[in-house]
Formats: sequence, C-alpha cells, structure tokens
Amino acid sequence: DAKTTQPPSMDCAEGRAANLPCNHSTISGNEYVYWYRQIHSQGPQYIIHGLKNNETNEMASLIITEDRKSSTLILPHATLRDTAVYYCIVRFHFNQAGTALIFGKGTTLSVSS
Amino acid sequence: GAVVSQHPSWVICKSGTSVKIECRSLDFQATTMFWYRQFPKQSLMLMATSNEGSKATYEQGVEKDKFLINHASLTLSTLTVTSAHPEDSSFYICSAGGYSNQPQHFGDGTRLSIL
Repeated sequence: DAKTTQPPSMDCAEGRAANLPCNHSTISGNEYVYWYRQIHSQGPQYIIHGLKNNETNEMASLIITEDRKSSTLILPHATLRDTAVYYCIVRFHFNQAGTALIFGKGTTLSVSS
Repeated sequence: GAVVSQHPSWVICKSGTSVKIECRSLDFQATTMFWYRQFPKQSLMLMATSNEGSKATYEQGVEKDKFLINHASLTLSTLTVTSAHPEDSSFYICSAGGYSNQPQHFGDGTRLSIL
C-alpha cells in the first residue's frame, strides 16, 4: 500500500470547516484513499473512502486531486466532538477483508470553542 | 450501531494472570479478524491476523506464545494474553469487515492494566 503523509496536528474553531490534508504521491491506480478517526480511548471510526471522484456522506467530504497524489478530508462544521486523531490510509481495493489496515501517525485535530 | 463488539472494555489484573479478550462481528461473518495494540500517544500497531479455522499470523516481534489467538467461529476471535506482566499493559483493539465493498470496522478496544 502507498505511504501517506499528514501534518501532525491542526487546530480548528468550532463551527468552522476543518480541512485535513493527506499526501499520497505514490498511489497506484487501483488504490483507494480511506479516512478513519480515533477519539480518545476508543477504537478507530470509519469516515469515508474514495478512488478518484469526490465523495460526500453524512460525516464528511473527501476531495481527491485529479492526479490522485493528494486528498483533503473536510468536516464542514466542526464541533468539539470532532477532536480526534485522523488517519489517512491508502490501500488496494481488492481483498480488503483479508488485509489489515496499517496506520501511520495521523493528524491530531483540536477543535476549540 | 456497532458492527464489531469487543469485550471487556477494561480490565485490571495481577501480574502472572492470563486475560482473554473477545472480538465479535455482529451482523456479518468474518473469516479474518485483526488484532492491534496501542501504547499511549502512539498509533495502532498490528499484532496479528486471526484466521477462522486455522492458525493466526503474527507480525514480526509479537510472541505467539504470549498472545494466543483463537478464531473458532465466523463471528468470534479471542486474544489471550498469557502470564501477563506490567509491560503488557496497553490498549488492545480488534477489527473485521471489508466484505462487499464495505469498510473494515473496529471494536471499542480493551484497556488492559497489569499490576
């Protein structure tokens, strides 16, 4: 799976959009970008994933650049409960059930009032 | 709701005790489950892959005799920390899923404290 690079930490004001970047310049054509987050003392929570098109769900939006070498996770209206470590993971789409997710250091997002 | 359930969520025991942690897939069958360990302020580290009906696959540096994994059914994997010592104190997390284009999901973790 391709390596990802994320900033170690970011701050965001409550109610504002949080934009979390991820660099994955060595991504290959059949690798997806996944985002998970881990709130303190809990297991990681799935947020969103995508291949090349932008994706949106009830939690967030995922913007992938045209060359697929980077992406941005957007939390449109951050709340205090969004304070967590966010992980960007690139992995092959095939045999997902048989392959573990490998976590990097992620980005610690701190949302303040 | 949770699709992967982990139990117990928190356990404290004396040094030398063996501790069993359960991981269940709630609404799907999982031939493969994964076990992670996380130390404070660090990321998740993959310990082993649990395979239903066969031996687990351990990552380099993880003692298979210390961390016994059993995956006897399609919805349950157990991790037993044998003869636990204070250095085994950590946050243990399991995951499963990834079938039919669905993402993998994680349990809520088990915080193990060995006195």
